[in-house]
Amino acid sequence: KAGVTQTPRYLIKTRGQQVTLSCSPISGHRSVSWYQQTPGQGLQFLFEYFSETQRNKGNFPGRFSGRQFSNSRSEMNVSTLELGDSALYLCASSLASGTARMGNTIYFGEGSWLTVV
Amino acid sequence: TQLLEQSPQFLSIQEGENLTVYCNSSSVFSSLQWYRQEPGEGPVLLVTVVTGGEVKKLKRLTFQFGDARKDSSLHITAAQPGDTGLYLCAGVSSSASKIIFGSGTRLSIRP
Repeated sequence: KAGVTQTPRYLIKTRGQQVTLSCSPISGHRSVSWYQQTPGQGLQFLFEYFSETQRNKGNFPGRFSGRQFSNSRSEMNVSTLELGDSALYLCASSLASGTARMGNTIYFGEGSWLTVV
Repeated sequence: TQLLEQSPQFLSIQEGENLTVYCNSSSVFSSLQWYRQEPGEGPVLLVTVVTGGEVKKLKRLTFQFGDARKDSSLHITAAQPGDTGLYLCAGVSSSASKIIFGSGTRLSIRP
């Protein structure tokens, strides 16, 4: 059973540009959540999608957005990139909604390393 | 704002030694999870504790949830180089709609 797949693994962007990251969940998983991990702020929740609907959102500006397709694959977009957006962006999938509901284990991908210069 | 503080931030010990990592908050959580993240990979769930005072064991790892469900600890007995990694605790809100991660403890076990 393939795990959570994220693409691209590494990318470099310039300030002001926008970026789109992709996530393919484990087959059968309908929930996809996104996280940002930085040395200073740690791992922070961005948002969760289930059945193409955003179910929950963290405290990030509107420059961060996402969507989920009918096949459960998800993309997240960051517009007008800032230096502080440099981070590891992790995607996780689970069977059910409710990112951390008891028994609903979330499985993380290896992440996409974004560097903004 | 719910915060989870982990201590220590960094820990480097010799193989065979014991260690304890702490995860503390002023907020009550419905459950608490521990993850381990190795370089170049995403976090992997180790355990979920739900009941105040609950103790769970995973081989040489012992996890405890505080009686008031505000804190947790991870104790590793006879640490091995394979235990090296970033350990993250994560608190789950009562509505299970949000998960809050701790700042992490970077553990290094020297052979």
